[in-house]
Amino acid sequence: AQTVTQSQPEMSVQEAETVTLSCTYDTSESDYYLFWYKQPPSRQMILVIRQEAYKQQNATENRFSVNFQKAAKSFSLKISDSQLGDAAMYFCAYKRGNKLVFGAGTILRVKS
Amino acid sequence: GAVVSQHPSWVICKSGTSVKIECRSLDFQATTMFWYRQFPKQSLMLMATSNEGSKATYEQGVEKDKFLINHASLTLSTLTVTSAHPEDSSFYICSARLGQEPYIEQFFGPGTRLTVL
Repeated sequence: AQTVTQSQPEMSVQEAETVTLSCTYDTSESDYYLFWYKQPPSRQMILVIRQEAYKQQNATENRFSVNFQKAAKSFSLKISDSQLGDAAMYFCAYKRGNKLVFGAGTILRVKS
Repeated sequence: GAVVSQHPSWVICKSGTSVKIECRSLDFQATTMFWYRQFPKQSLMLMATSNEGSKATYEQGVEKDKFLINHASLTLSTLTVTSAHPEDSSFYICSARLGQEPYIEQFFGPGTRLTVL
């Protein structure tokens, strides 16, 4: 069974600095998709970034980028130039068929 | 982007009553929708996959008779919590699937907070 592990329950970052959120997963498949979702206090889930496993290039979306290490089954999210609006719970997710399997989440706090 | 709505956003009910939550895809058709449950500061747990025109597929451990799902149209899925009890109090989130492989994405509704007294 696929599992997704986020080992950091909480992280803090100073405004304008960089923070990295960790995620590891377990799978026997060779082709799959990974995602990072943001859930702000409003509870609305927002897709931050996605990565196709067959692509060696790490995905980037503006200030958000990933470090995808397929052999190590690691998928970390780097947030550069952190902003107060980045404060949220972040979930790593693995796409299994139709379904998404989520990690436990990491609460990110941004200090001004 | 695609928009998914949920109604109501917040509901309080008495123990033993039934509550219906609606999930609508506003600007696209969705043959597949998903229902999740989320406890405070915890992850989303998939409850069931809702398929338009057919029976829902429930995850292991989810009671089918308690959480009734109906997906009668391409834009609406409903979750009915029957004979609700305080332990059913939670945040319920739906999502709708859009796109073709490999460019499929799930768009999430804003969630419904259920409190059972």
